[in-house]
Amino acid sequence: EAGVTQFPSHSVIEKGQTVTLRCDPISGHDNLYWYRRVMGKEIKFLLHFVKESKQDESGMPNNRFLAERTGGTYSTLKVQPAELEDSGVYFCASSQAGGLNYGYTFGSGTRLTVV
Amino acid sequence: AQTVTQSQPEMSVQEAETVTLSCTYDTSESDYYLFWYKQPPSRQMILVIRQEAYKQQNATENRFSVNFQKAAKSFSLKISDSQLGDAAMYFCATVTSGSRLTFGEGTQLTVNP
Repeated sequence: EAGVTQFPSHSVIEKGQTVTLRCDPISGHDNLYWYRRVMGKEIKFLLHFVKESKQDESGMPNNRFLAERTGGTYSTLKVQPAELEDSGVYFCASSQAGGLNYGYTFGSGTRLTVV
Repeated sequence: AQTVTQSQPEMSVQEAETVTLSCTYDTSESDYYLFWYKQPPSRQMILVIRQEAYKQQNATENRFSVNFQKAAKSFSLKISDSQLGDAAMYFCATVTSGSRLTFGEGTQLTVNP
């Protein structure tokens, strides 16, 4: 079974530019999550999709971040315009079902560097 | 809201010895899960071990075990017979009915040959 795939693995962009990160969850996983780790800090929740719907987007830092999940399959996270403080590693995770008794599978993350 | 605290930014252990990573958490929920994730240099987050809060028995997975103290809200990870491949960043996390994970700041573990 293919795991959670994220790309690009690394992106370097200039302040003010736009970047789009992509996550392909495990096939059949309805739940998709985005997390971010800023250098040296804890991993923080950004948002949660159930199929194509946003279940919880309370962790999105501001309106420069836009997440979509087309047809309940892959998801994109767009940052426009990027700021220096957006640098960090962006993780995607998916799970098969809701509730507490489930497992998450994480991708390898996208390291975003804004210069 | 949940919080998770890992008070050890860095730890080191000699190969074949035992090391314990600390984690404390705070939650008002009665039903929750606790996790330890490992992130090696490849950046892939790998689940190490999981504990259900309603179970008093400590979870174990081969060389990995936890010391779950519910009243103290403590969830430490013990790695026995440490191997070079155990070197990684370790994150403690909790999840409740909201289904989002709340992570600690991480502990960087170095294994010395």
